[in-house]
Amino acid sequence: EIVLTQSPDFQSVTPKEKVTITCRASQSIGSSLHWYQQKPDQSPKLLIKYASQSISGVPSRFSGSGSGTDFTLTINSLEAEDAAAYYCHQSSSLPGTFGQGTKVEIK
Amino acid sequence: QVQLVDSGGGVVQPGRSLRLSCAASGFTFSSYAIHWVRLTPGKGLEWVAVISYDGLNKYYADSVKGRFTISRDNSKNTLYLQMNSLRPEDTAVYYCARDGSGGYFGTLDYWGQGTLVTVSS
Repeated sequence: EIVLTQSPDFQSVTPKEKVTITCRASQSIGSSLHWYQQKPDQSPKLLIKYASQSISGVPSRFSGSGSGTDFTLTINSLEAEDAAAYYCHQSSSLPGTFGQGTKVEIK
Repeated sequence: QVQLVDSGGGVVQPGRSLRLSCAASGFTFSSYAIHWVRLTPGKGLEWVAVISYDGLNKYYADSVKGRFTISRDNSKNTLYLQMNSLRPEDTAVYYCARDGSGGYFGTLDYWGQGTLVTVSS
């Protein structure tokens, strides 16, 4: 099973700040890494697919990078509505696995 | 538009059974693999199972293997998760999610709203 480790677990950020979340895989997964946003009492929402591909309807301040074992989700100029938990997910092999999540709080 | 509606959750005693459903609409259900993913308190998202578009191939997380069964009825555009021998650690919100790749190694591009399962005596 591929283990995904996110950092940090929690981040408290001021609006308009830049947020960087990392996800490290226990073995190489190519670009089969996706990012989701989950707000309280909502289902997860796909933000970025295959490490860096944008999703229609997702604000351009969200971007992703990386390949192999190290990946990054960047939120440029954080807005209040971005308060949520963020998860990485690998689909390189079954079982699909998720990172433990990063909670982003707005100061 | 693509819609997945989860149902069937509830409060159940340890050792008992429950069946979840996921009703799909707005896309060709029989062309997509569908996953079950759960959100557990304090542990985040956990992948549970996946079934191929035609129902012939099924894979499970080790934590549920032998207790849970995933199935689908393409004539009814509905996915199921039969959960037997439930344990307190199965307490979670369960989501169905579509695999956008055509196989089962892709993004989970659409999710149901989730259904809460509580296993408690």
